[in-house]
Amino acid sequence: EVQLVDSGGGLVQPGGSLRLSCAPSGFTFSSYWMSWVRQAPGRGLEWVACVNEDGSRVFYMDSMEGRFTISRDNAKNSLYLQMNSLRAEDTAVYYCARHRVGVRAFDNWGQGTMVTVSS
Amino acid sequence: DIQMTQSPSSLSASVGDRVTITCRASQSISSFLFWYQKKPGRAPKLLLYNVFTLQSGVPSRFSGSGSGTDFTLTISSLQPEDFATYYCQQSYTTPWTFGQGTKVEIK
Repeated sequence: EVQLVDSGGGLVQPGGSLRLSCAPSGFTFSSYWMSWVRQAPGRGLEWVACVNEDGSRVFYMDSMEGRFTISRDNAKNSLYLQMNSLRAEDTAVYYCARHRVGVRAFDNWGQGTMVTVSS
Repeated sequence: DIQMTQSPSSLSASVGDRVTITCRASQSISSFLFWYQKKPGRAPKLLLYNVFTLQSGVPSRFSGSGSGTDFTLTISSLQPEDFATYYCQQSYTTPWTFGQGTKVEIK
């Protein structure tokens, strides 16, 4: 069974940093593109960033480029999102999501991890 | 960035009703259009990809249509478990963008 377990969320002050992790299981992690998607309280879904199978290609939502870094370690079966210079508007539930093979849609999602940016 | 606009933003319907949600892209996105279902406290669920292909395990009462800039999600006979928020998403070009969501509520 495909499973994605998100972790690393918490309360952080504005300007602070946080590193989210995603632990996949039940599939060959190194064969899939992966993304992070977030949902702020009372708001809709927002794609954050994606990474290709071997980590050589990454893409970001404009407002996060330069502050957020997506990465993966296929040897450790892990996906990461390093978030720096956090702002109140980054407060959201963050989900890791697997891309369907050959299709740029998200076919499996983690349970989400809450990030709260507040003083 | 490509803007995705859904309508309506919310709707009330009864079990058994036929429900249609539309999604319009600010420019042509070919067939790179996907639909998700989101319930509070739960992860989103992929319903359809490439406009009209059902994700494995999704009931056939869900269907999709459209091309270019205008797309539709139809639920042929609304079931109790279908009350949720629905999102369209394009991946024609980054940044990949979602519609604002359509909340389907019980009438």
